Amino acid sequence: GESVGLHLPTLSVQEGDNSIINCAYSNSASDYFIWYKQESGKGPQFIIDIRSNMDKRQGQRVTVLLNKTVKHLSLQIAATQPGDSAVYFCAENLSRTYKYIFGTGTRLKVLA
Amino acid sequence: DGGITQSPKYLFRKEGQNVTLSCEQNLNHDAMYWYRQDPGQGLRLIYYSQIVNDFQKGDIAEGYSVSREKKESFPLTVTSAQKNPTAFYLCASSVYRDSNQPQHFGDGTRLSIL
Repeated sequence: GESVGLHLPTLSVQEGDNSIINCAYSNSASDYFIWYKQESGKGPQFIIDIRSNMDKRQGQRVTVLLNKTVKHLSLQIAATQPGDSAVYFCAENLSRTYKYIFGTGTRLKVLA
Repeated sequence: DGGITQSPKYLFRKEGQNVTLSCEQNLNHDAMYWYRQDPGQGLRLIYYSQIVNDFQKGDIAEGYSVSREKKESFPLTVTSAQKNPTAFYLCASSVYRDSNQPQHFGDGTRLSIL
């Protein structure tokens, strides 16, 4: 059964709408950030990453925005689809260290 | 296909028993990691290894042990000293020597107590 995802904040969006998932990171020295998607019973799947020398990066249907001033990261998903339903979490890393710090995640529910 | 394979998918532990979780990768990654995932919490690092025959404790290493005899393999043993072992365990790998690389994850092992 599902153990990941209990007690997480939930974002519900209509199919076809855009989704915005937010993350506050903890270490002002972190210089690399990653968004992961985790489906029920599976491991996290890499979505997109961004380095601290950028404030925006786009992928296929996804955009990550980085605001270093307030230590905030967001993931935008365009034209959200039922297959996007999952838990999304961010991770931060200080370059050339082993330490990745993971957020607790947000559950995205796509309504048909 | 390159990736990380964790086995078994489900595992049950009896009182006083040690159990071993398998993790194998064919990505030729130098670094491997073990995380524990509990409901409502971020991933917590148990152990990590940067190269063969070397590994370091993470934030919650007590009650766990690892080995890294081969680059491809990083098994985790949950010992009887771990009093709350019920969790979802995730293995990951990354290209350690290159900066700014994401970790790649396996599909996890769910450990429960009998």
